[in-house]
Amino acid sequence: DVKVTQSSRYLVKRTGEKVFLECVQDMDHENMFWYRQDPGLGLRLIYFSYDVKMKEKGDIPEGYSVSREKKERFSLILESASTNQTSMYLCASSLRESTEAFFGQGTRLTVV
Amino acid sequence: AQTVTQSQPEMSVQEAETVTLSCTYDTSESDYYLFWYKQPPSRQMILVIRQEAYKQQNATENRFSVNFQKAAKSFSLKISDSQLGDAAMYFCAYRSAWTGANSKLTFGKGITLSVRP
Repeated sequence: DVKVTQSSRYLVKRTGEKVFLECVQDMDHENMFWYRQDPGLGLRLIYFSYDVKMKEKGDIPEGYSVSREKKERFSLILESASTNQTSMYLCASSLRESTEAFFGQGTRLTVV
Repeated sequence: AQTVTQSQPEMSVQEAETVTLSCTYDTSESDYYLFWYKQPPSRQMILVIRQEAYKQQNATENRFSVNFQKAAKSFSLKISDSQLGDAAMYFCAYRSAWTGANSKLTFGKGITLSVRP
């Protein structure tokens, strides 16, 4: 089975902290994605990567950056966490030619 | 840019009955994929069903089927013989047929489905 693992299920951070959310997949997928999920807003794409060191901005990249140094790992970075970044964060991955994306279990981040 | 619209935030269905969840989308592309994902309380997103735009035949997976109307840009999900385990949030999603930088999934806002015993 494909496994997409997010480093934390729950996370509490302070305003102004630099926060790292890690995502690892074990199926050699080229594509990896970071989404943010908020009630009434659905899933919104923050960043995605279609190859190592390649990244594309999604719909809401402001306040975030990403890193993909290895194929299996895609990190989301909150440079200076703010309370409006309190949310559920979902990581996903897929093969380049495949239509199916596999999701991690989500990280619920609270910024206080 | 592509958009996906789910206008109903909540729906309820009686166990064993049939329910239809609506989705519309907007795109200028002719080749693309559409999906329905399920997110139960565990938060794990699960692919329910997939439809290729070039196929006229509606996709079916056991109790789940879609009504794909390409000209109307409509993609609804029908759940037959609803079960308590079907209670979840359901998301409609769109993906271009192009790969690389166009591989992203665009989601609707989701609909919360409750199932009454």
